[in-house]
Formats: sequence, C-alpha cells, structure tokens
Amino acid sequence: DTEVTQTPKHLVMGMTNKKSLKCEQHMGHRAMYWYKQKAKKPPELMFVYSYEKLSINESVPSRFSPECPNSSLLNLHLHALQPEDSALYLCASSQDLSRGGPVEQYFGPGTRLTVT
Amino acid sequence: LAKTTQPISMDSYEGQEVNITCSHNNIATNDYITWYQQFPSQGPRFIIQGYKTKVTNEVASLFIPADRKSSTLSLPRVSLSDTAVYYCLVGEPPLTGGGNKLTFGTGTQLKVEL
Repeated sequence: DTEVTQTPKHLVMGMTNKKSLKCEQHMGHRAMYWYKQKAKKPPELMFVYSYEKLSINESVPSRFSPECPNSSLLNLHLHALQPEDSALYLCASSQDLSRGGPVEQYFGPGTRLTVT
Repeated sequence: LAKTTQPISMDSYEGQEVNITCSHNNIATNDYITWYQQFPSQGPRFIIQGYKTKVTNEVASLFIPADRKSSTLSLPRVSLSDTAVYYCLVGEPPLTGGGNKLTFGTGTQLKVEL
C-alpha cells in the first residue's frame, strides 16, 4: 500500500470554528509532513515530524497545531483561521530521515480548505 | 536555499519527447535533484531522482551534467495525460543539515495537445 489518505477532501469553516485535518499512511514511514499550497503556487512546507516528534516548524502561526498520535497518523488542528489561510493542505510521508541520503515523498490528495 | 529556475510553461503534442530544464547554480555537494508531477487538486507525485550523470526509470530520464548546475527531465512520447505541473527540487531532506533545504520551485506547466 503506497497510499497516503487525507480527510476530509473539502472543508469550509468560519473564522471562529475549530476543525481538524487528518492524514494516514501504512507504508511504515517514520517521517510525515504538512504542506500548504495556494492556487498556482508550489507547496510550502509547514511542519515535519520524525518518529512522532515535531522536528521542523517553519514559523507557522499558532492557529495551526499539528499532532502525530502514532507513526501512521498525522493531524492538523485548526482554530481561529483567517480567510487568507484558505488553501490546499497536503500531507506527505517518507522514509526515516535520520538515515540521510535522498528521500521520496509520498503525497496525499490534499484537503481543500475554505475559511469564510 | 537552492534556488531553482524552470520555464513557467511549455507546450507539446502527443507522441513528442519533452525536455524540461532546471537551473540550480548553487547546488551543494550533498544535494539531490528530484522531480515531481502534480495534477490540479492532487498531491505531487514523485517522478525521478538523481545525483549525477543519467538516471532512467519507466516514465522518465534525468540528465545531470558534470557540474550539476542544471538538470533536464526528459519525458518520452508524451500523451494528453502528461499535462501537469512539473517541479524540480534541489536539496537535502529536512534534518540532515549541511546542504540546501529541499524546497519546491515555481514549477513548469506542461500542456500536451493532440
């Protein structure tokens, strides 16, 4: 199984709502990522988890809160978002980063988020 | 940060070979070159990866000259379904340190017509 799944596919939320995005992989990967992609722009890295520990936070506002409950799951908790946070949120996974060398990232289909 | 430069767009016809070149003048010693394909409203999909010379797999070839300051993705005999954005990434995976951070460039929109 080389698939990364993400739920929901689409999400519309108000600025005062709290919601969560979910990501799951069963490839035994120990690194998981959250990216944000605006229309016609490349994906931008937000967070990296390695062995269920947050390893990289690319100065993301605290209204985005990642969580990695176990090696297969990755969540992104959303609270008090702004309309400019509307984007495609992509989850990815890859092999163990601590080994060094090249990695191949497997991406999910993304969650299309609209903040109203 | 390893800045990459790719053409914004390219047009081709079915059955032709397409070559997309990426410039990366400040590539570091430990950096790898990776290409991804992305269709609208989908996540990027890994195409090919290399360090030097030539790499070939079932879908593409990657040509890297000796100075590694550029690379060329070659797609043989494209079809309509190859219409997508192609991203060149140069860098090291996160956490390894020492080289350039792996970052998506602006990408090349390839349009294949009949």
